[in-house]
Amino acid sequence: GAGVSQSPSNKVTEKGKDVELRCDPISGHTALYWYRQSLGQGLEFLIYFQGNSAPDKSGLPSDRFSAERTGGSVSTLTIQRTQQEDSAVYLCASSLDRDRPVNEQFFGPGTRLTVL
Amino acid sequence: AQSVSQHNHHVILSEAASLELGCNYSYGGTVNLFWYVQYPGQHLQLLLKYFSGDPLVKGIKGFEAEFIKSKFSFNLRKPSVQWSDTAEYFCAEAAGNKLTFGGGTRVLVKP
Repeated sequence: GAGVSQSPSNKVTEKGKDVELRCDPISGHTALYWYRQSLGQGLEFLIYFQGNSAPDKSGLPSDRFSAERTGGSVSTLTIQRTQQEDSAVYLCASSLDRDRPVNEQFFGPGTRLTVL
Repeated sequence: AQSVSQHNHHVILSEAASLELGCNYSYGGTVNLFWYVQYPGQHLQLLLKYFSGDPLVKGIKGFEAEFIKSKFSFNLRKPSVQWSDTAEYFCAEAAGNKLTFGGGTRVLVKP
């Protein structure tokens, strides 16, 4: 079946521009996560959506980062006024909604963002 | 705050050699541990997971991991590696549904 998809696969932008990254989770998965993979910081949690609950934004590095999830499915991560340190691979993951055990997260291919 | 540490950044070994990758976690509550693998050019994939029960967990592709609570460790092992095991390996711990990852270990298996 279809896995998690992300678009674009690569994005090059100039410092100061805004970018939007898109994630389509696996159908039927109610939980969606964004992570960032960068050389200096490794894999970091950014934000987590679960159903209709308020998202857990505790991993967002600054107020330039925001994300939304429309209709409980597709999610968009927006980075405003991009900086060079935002260059990274942005990974999306989704999982089923079950309380226990902790669910396996299925990862997408990522969007490689380069800020010049 | 949670942290996960992986002892080796790079490992190089020959086919048929045994592999062991170290992982230590910090969170002392309910333990949910994972090993993920990222093959060159591919997505992160789950190798195995531990939530409770038998501390020796078997995963895909001949991998296993042992949970040792007293050492806060969850080391990954494979008795005999193949060239196709060349990849980056990540240990992770979940608190709620958020994953905290270790820094990763790049494994190169020479044919």
